[in-house]
Amino acid sequence: GQSLEQPSEVTAVEGAIVQINCTYQTSGFYGLSWYQQHDGGAPTFLSYNALDGLEETGRFSSFLSRSDSYGYLLLQELQMKDSASYFCAVRDEEGQGGKLIFGQGTELSVKP
Amino acid sequence: DTGVSQDPRHKITKRGQNVTFRCDPISEHNRLYWYRQTLGQGPEFLTYFQNEAQLEKSRLLSDRFSAERPKGSFSTLEIQRTEQGDSAMYLCASRTSGQQETQYFGPGTRLLVL
Repeated sequence: GQSLEQPSEVTAVEGAIVQINCTYQTSGFYGLSWYQQHDGGAPTFLSYNALDGLEETGRFSSFLSRSDSYGYLLLQELQMKDSASYFCAVRDEEGQGGKLIFGQGTELSVKP
Repeated sequence: DTGVSQDPRHKITKRGQNVTFRCDPISEHNRLYWYRQTLGQGPEFLTYFQNEAQLEKSRLLSDRFSAERPKGSFSTLEIQRTEQGDSAMYLCASRTSGQQETQYFGPGTRLLVL
């Protein structure tokens, strides 16, 4: 089967750093993506790792270790507006579709 | 670039009725995906199109579901004989073939089957 595991919820305070982990088990692997979704909103793309290592985009960084089937999203200098659900997703090239297989999401609550 | 749009944003229907949703992708995107999301879960893949061709369907997509993309632009998702278990957010996403890492999602259609 195909599965992605991530914590269901994380709480942190403004200005802090938080790490959201994701482990995956999928038949195909062509990259790990992270999406943010606010309540009632659409998922929006944050970051993507195709190769091992760290990708940095402003306050957000994402890491991938393909040998460990593991990645994480790091959010720095947390702001209240970062309160949202965060999903890791694996790009599955099976069938040439490039569809995304999503984890169940991590609900991040940022407290003052 | 006006983004991906979906219509309607909300739909309430009675069990057994048929419903149809529309998705307008970003204009130059040739790949279009439909996902379903229930509360507290991540989006689940339903089907995808490359231009007008439907190239893959999930096992989740029962024969009551049908999707089309007749001219390779907008797409429709129809659910026949709706069931309460169909209640969910239906999300559409699009991307270009060469843009491997990013799918652009629409705001979704929230379906409630009574």
